[in-house]
Amino acid sequence: AQKVTQAQTEISVVEKEDVTLDCVYETRDTTYYLFWYKQPPSGELVFLIRRNSFDEQNEISGRYSWNFQKSTSSFNFTITASQVVDSAVYFCALTSLGSGYALNFGKGTSLLVTP
Amino acid sequence: DAEITQSPRHKITETGRQVTLACHQTWNHNNMFWYRQDLGHGLRLIHYSYGVQDTNKGEVSDGYSVSRSNTEDLPLTLESAASSQTSVYFCASSDGTGAADTQYFGPGTRLTVL
Repeated sequence: AQKVTQAQTEISVVEKEDVTLDCVYETRDTTYYLFWYKQPPSGELVFLIRRNSFDEQNEISGRYSWNFQKSTSSFNFTITASQVVDSAVYFCALTSLGSGYALNFGKGTSLLVTP
Repeated sequence: DAEITQSPRHKITETGRQVTLACHQTWNHNNMFWYRQDLGHGLRLIHYSYGVQDTNKGEVSDGYSVSRSNTEDLPLTLESAASSQTSVYFCASSDGTGAADTQYFGPGTRLTVL
């Protein structure tokens, strides 16, 4: 069975602080894919990143960065110099052949950035 | 621009009624998925389809059905709505030409069953 755990239910930071959202996953498959989605207050789900299990390179996109570590089964997401517009619920998700390539989501981390 | 749409965006219905939620995508994606989002549960998979005439059950499929008669549409039917089915429903699609292609989501439908 697959499982994604986002232990942080809610995080509150002040603008310009750095914040890291944790994601720990479980799967028996050797080939799998990890995703992060953002759900702003307007409710839509916005794709942020996709990473496959063979690629452990960290990725940076502007103020966003992702740290993938197979040794600890983690795929953490860091926002540098947070802004109010980053306030949203962030979901980590996992998929593989074992799930029919449907996404298994964590329960999400609600991030509030205050001015 | 290609997109994925859902209708209606909001729906209120009564217990026991049949309800159909529409999902339409113009990307020509093979794969389509339905999820429900509830507080404390994140998103959970209801049904999915890899192509025309193909449907599969997900984690929470009881009380729901889907059919795929063309590439663009995957309607979700609640056969006899129950209050426990009050939720926000998201449709998603992915290309399907490669493994684990990124899923792109529709705007969601908020369903209330009274």
